[in-house]
Amino acid sequence: AQRVTQPEKLLSVFKGAPVELKCNYSYSGSPELFWYVQYSRQRLQLLLRHISRESIKGFTADLNKGETSFHLKKPFAQEEDSAMYYCALIGTSGSRLTFGEGTQLTVNP
Amino acid sequence: KAGVTQTPRYLIKTRGQQVTLSCSPISGHRSVSWYQQTPGQGLQFLFEYFSETQRNKGNFPGRFSGRQFSNSRSEMNVSTLELGDSALYLCASSLGPISGANVLTFGAGSRLTVL
Repeated sequence: AQRVTQPEKLLSVFKGAPVELKCNYSYSGSPELFWYVQYSRQRLQLLLRHISRESIKGFTADLNKGETSFHLKKPFAQEEDSAMYYCALIGTSGSRLTFGEGTQLTVNP
Repeated sequence: KAGVTQTPRYLIKTRGQQVTLSCSPISGHRSVSWYQQTPGQGLQFLFEYFSETQRNKGNFPGRFSGRQFSNSRSEMNVSTLELGDSALYLCASSLGPISGANVLTFGAGSRLTVL
Protein backbone atom coordinates (compact mmCIF):
# COMPACT_ATOMS: atom_id res chain seq x y z
CA ALA A 1 0.00 0.00 0.00
CA GLN A 2 1.12 3.55 -0.63
CA ARG A 3 0.88 6.21 2.06
CA VAL A 4 1.89 9.85 2.45
CA THR A 5 2.34 11.48 5.84
CA GLN A 6 2.59 15.18 6.57
CA PRO A 7 3.27 15.39 10.30
CA GLU A 8 2.40 19.08 10.70
CA LYS A 9 -1.22 20.14 10.20
CA LEU A 10 -0.35 23.76 10.96
CA LEU A 11 2.89 25.64 10.43
CA SER A 12 3.43 29.31 11.20
CA VAL A 13 6.53 31.34 10.33
CA PHE A 14 7.46 34.99 10.00
CA LYS A 15 8.11 36.69 6.69
CA GLY A 16 11.71 36.24 5.62
CA ALA A 17 12.25 33.14 7.74
CA PRO A 18 13.10 29.76 6.21
CA VAL A 19 10.29 27.27 5.95
CA GLU A 20 10.26 23.50 5.62
CA LEU A 21 7.11 21.44 5.14
CA LYS A 22 7.73 17.80 5.91
CA CYS A 23 6.52 14.88 3.83
CA ASN A 24 7.26 11.20 4.37
CA TYR A 25 6.00 8.38 2.24
CA SER A 26 5.78 4.63 2.26
CA TYR A 27 5.91 2.72 -0.99
CA SER A 28 7.81 -0.39 -1.89
CA GLY A 29 8.76 0.69 -5.41
CA SER A 30 9.96 3.94 -6.98
CA PRO A 31 7.24 6.54 -6.65
CA GLU A 32 6.72 9.88 -8.32
CA LEU A 33 6.36 12.67 -5.73
CA PHE A 34 4.54 15.97 -6.03
CA TRP A 35 3.65 19.04 -4.02
CA TYR A 36 0.25 20.63 -4.64
CA VAL A 37 -0.86 23.96 -3.21
CA GLN A 38 -4.27 25.46 -2.56
CA TYR A 39 -4.41 29.20 -1.96
CA SER A 40 -7.45 30.67 -0.25
CA ARG A 41 -10.53 30.39 -2.47
CA GLN A 42 -8.48 28.98 -5.35
CA ARG A 43 -8.22 25.59 -6.98
CA LEU A 44 -5.76 22.92 -6.04
CA GLN A 45 -2.74 23.32 -8.31
CA LEU A 46 0.59 21.66 -8.90
CA LEU A 47 3.53 23.40 -7.26
CA LEU A 48 6.35 21.09 -8.25
CA ARG A 49 7.28 17.47 -8.94
CA HIS A 50 10.48 15.67 -8.19
CA ILE A 51 11.17 14.52 -11.74
CA SER A 52 11.43 18.15 -12.88
CA ARG A 53 14.04 19.10 -10.29
CA GLU A 54 12.93 22.71 -10.65
CA SER A 55 12.35 25.59 -8.27
CA ILE A 56 8.90 27.14 -8.35
CA LYS A 57 8.18 30.41 -6.50
CA GLY A 58 11.44 29.83 -4.62
CA PHE A 59 10.36 26.41 -3.36
CA THR A 60 12.45 23.29 -3.84
CA ALA A 61 11.99 19.68 -2.80
CA ASP A 62 14.48 16.85 -2.88
CA LEU A 63 13.47 13.22 -2.95
CA ASN A 64 15.42 11.27 -0.32
CA LYS A 65 14.83 7.61 -1.02
CA GLY A 66 16.85 6.50 2.00
CA GLU A 67 14.68 8.48 4.39
CA THR A 68 11.57 8.15 2.16
CA SER A 69 11.04 11.87 2.41
CA PHE A 70 10.18 14.72 0.05
CA HIS A 71 10.34 17.84 2.19
CA LEU A 72 9.40 21.21 0.69
CA LYS A 73 11.73 24.10 1.46
CA LYS A 74 11.98 27.81 0.88
CA PRO A 75 14.79 29.94 2.29
CA PHE A 76 12.79 33.14 2.74
CA ALA A 77 9.03 32.82 3.21
CA GLN A 78 6.69 35.48 1.84
CA GLU A 79 3.19 36.37 3.02
CA GLU A 80 1.76 35.21 -0.30
CA ASP A 81 3.05 31.71 0.44
CA SER A 82 0.29 31.29 3.02
CA ALA A 83 -1.77 28.34 1.77
CA MET A 84 -2.58 24.67 2.24
CA TYR A 85 0.16 22.41 0.92
CA TYR A 86 -0.34 18.76 -0.01
CA CYS A 87 2.33 16.20 -0.69
CA ALA A 88 1.25 13.47 -3.11
CA LEU A 89 2.57 10.25 -4.60
CA ILE A 90 1.98 8.13 -7.68
CA GLY A 91 3.20 4.56 -7.58
CA THR A 92 4.75 2.71 -10.47
CA SER A 93 1.41 1.18 -11.36
CA GLY A 94 0.16 4.71 -12.01
CA SER A 95 -3.47 5.66 -12.13
CA ARG A 96 -3.83 6.88 -8.57
CA LEU A 97 -2.59 10.00 -6.77
CA THR A 98 -2.31 9.49 -3.00
CA PHE A 99 -2.34 12.69 -0.96
CA GLY A 100 -1.07 13.50 2.49
CA GLU A 101 -3.32 15.21 5.01
CA GLY A 102 -1.99 18.64 4.14
CA THR A 103 -0.12 21.37 6.02
CA GLN A 104 -1.64 24.81 6.47
CA LEU A 105 1.21 27.31 6.19
CA THR A 106 0.76 30.80 7.58
CA VAL A 107 3.41 33.42 6.94
CA ASN A 108 3.07 36.29 9.38
CA PRO A 109 4.20 39.85 8.54
CA LYS B 1 -8.03 27.90 -22.81
CA ALA B 2 -10.82 26.88 -20.46
CA GLY B 3 -9.91 24.93 -17.37
CA VAL B 4 -11.63 21.93 -15.85
CA THR B 5 -15.31 22.75 -15.40
CA GLN B 6 -17.44 21.09 -12.76
CA THR B 7 -21.19 21.39 -12.39
CA PRO B 8 -23.06 22.01 -10.25
CA ARG B 9 -20.81 23.97 -7.90
CA TYR B 10 -23.09 23.56 -4.90
CA LEU B 11 -25.95 21.24 -4.16
CA ILE B 12 -27.98 20.07 -1.22
CA LYS B 13 -29.61 16.65 -1.07
CA THR B 14 -31.33 14.58 1.57
CA ARG B 15 -30.43 11.11 2.76
CA GLY B 16 -31.48 8.37 0.41
CA GLN B 17 -31.44 10.54 -2.69
CA GLN B 18 -29.00 10.16 -5.52
CA VAL B 19 -26.78 12.77 -7.18
CA THR B 20 -24.93 13.14 -10.47
CA LEU B 21 -21.91 15.42 -10.81
CA SER B 22 -20.44 16.48 -14.11
CA CYS B 23 -16.89 17.27 -15.19
CA SER B 24 -15.68 18.75 -18.47
CA PRO B 25 -11.93 18.31 -18.86
CA ILE B 26 -9.52 20.67 -20.53
CA SER B 27 -9.79 20.38 -24.30
CA GLY B 28 -7.51 17.60 -25.50
CA HIS B 29 -7.28 15.92 -22.11
CA ARG B 30 -8.43 12.33 -22.23
CA SER B 31 -7.98 11.27 -18.61
CA VAL B 32 -10.38 12.29 -15.85
CA SER B 33 -9.98 11.48 -12.17
CA TRP B 34 -12.30 12.10 -9.24
CA TYR B 35 -11.39 12.82 -5.63
CA GLN B 36 -13.40 13.33 -2.48
CA GLN B 37 -12.20 16.01 -0.08
CA THR B 38 -13.41 16.12 3.52
CA PRO B 39 -11.97 17.76 6.65
CA GLY B 40 -11.60 14.40 8.38
CA GLN B 41 -10.28 12.20 5.57
CA GLY B 42 -8.55 14.74 3.37
CA LEU B 43 -8.26 14.01 -0.35
CA GLN B 44 -9.22 10.48 -1.33
CA PHE B 45 -9.10 8.93 -4.76
CA LEU B 46 -12.41 7.78 -6.19
CA PHE B 47 -11.69 6.65 -9.74
CA GLU B 48 -9.86 7.42 -12.96
CA TYR B 49 -11.12 7.16 -16.52
CA PHE B 50 -9.16 7.16 -19.73
CA SER B 51 -10.70 6.72 -23.17
CA GLU B 52 -14.05 5.82 -21.63
CA THR B 53 -12.53 3.01 -19.54
CA GLN B 54 -12.22 2.97 -15.78
CA ARG B 55 -8.56 2.31 -15.06
CA ASN B 56 -8.64 2.32 -11.30
CA LYS B 57 -11.10 2.66 -8.45
CA GLY B 58 -10.55 3.76 -4.87
CA ASN B 59 -11.89 2.17 -1.72
CA PHE B 60 -15.42 3.48 -1.88
CA PRO B 61 -18.65 1.49 -1.75
CA GLY B 62 -20.51 0.53 -4.88
CA ARG B 63 -22.89 3.45 -4.35
CA PHE B 64 -20.18 5.56 -5.97
CA SER B 65 -19.95 5.10 -9.71
CA GLY B 66 -18.78 7.02 -12.71
CA ARG B 67 -18.44 7.02 -16.43
CA GLN B 68 -16.68 8.83 -19.22
CA PHE B 69 -18.12 9.76 -22.56
CA SER B 70 -16.51 9.77 -25.99
CA ASN B 71 -15.83 13.52 -25.71
CA SER B 72 -13.91 12.82 -22.47
CA ARG B 73 -16.54 14.47 -20.29
CA SER B 74 -17.18 12.50 -17.14
CA GLU B 75 -19.94 12.06 -14.63
CA MET B 76 -19.97 10.53 -11.20
CA ASN B 77 -23.03 9.28 -9.43
CA VAL B 78 -23.69 8.62 -5.79
CA SER B 79 -26.82 6.66 -4.96
CA THR B 80 -28.62 6.28 -1.63
CA LEU B 81 -26.86 9.28 -0.15
CA GLU B 82 -25.63 9.18 3.42
CA LEU B 83 -24.71 12.06 5.71
CA GLY B 84 -21.06 11.06 5.44
CA ASP B 85 -21.11 11.69 1.70
CA SER B 86 -21.11 15.42 2.36
CA ALA B 87 -17.87 16.60 0.81
CA LEU B 88 -16.17 18.58 -1.90
CA TYR B 89 -15.87 16.39 -5.00
CA LEU B 90 -12.94 17.34 -7.18
CA CYS B 91 -12.41 16.39 -10.77
CA ALA B 92 -9.00 16.53 -12.41
CA SER B 93 -7.95 16.00 -15.99
CA SER B 94 -4.69 15.21 -17.73
CA LEU B 95 -3.48 14.55 -21.25
CA GLY B 96 -3.05 10.86 -20.62
CA PRO B 97 -3.22 8.36 -17.81
CA ILE B 98 -1.96 9.58 -14.47
CA SER B 99 1.81 9.42 -14.29
CA GLY B 100 4.70 11.58 -13.26
CA ALA B 101 4.70 13.11 -16.71
CA ASN B 102 0.97 13.75 -17.05
CA VAL B 103 0.16 16.55 -14.65
CA LEU B 104 -3.32 16.74 -13.14
CA THR B 105 -5.29 19.98 -13.48
CA PHE B 106 -8.08 20.30 -10.95
CA GLY B 107 -11.50 21.84 -11.20
CA ALA B 108 -13.07 24.04 -8.55
CA GLY B 109 -15.14 21.19 -7.21
CA SER B 110 -18.78 20.38 -6.50
CA ARG B 111 -19.74 20.87 -2.87
CA LEU B 112 -22.35 18.34 -1.84
CA THR B 113 -24.26 18.70 1.40
CA VAL B 114 -26.43 15.80 2.53
CA LEU B 115 -29.12 16.60 5.10
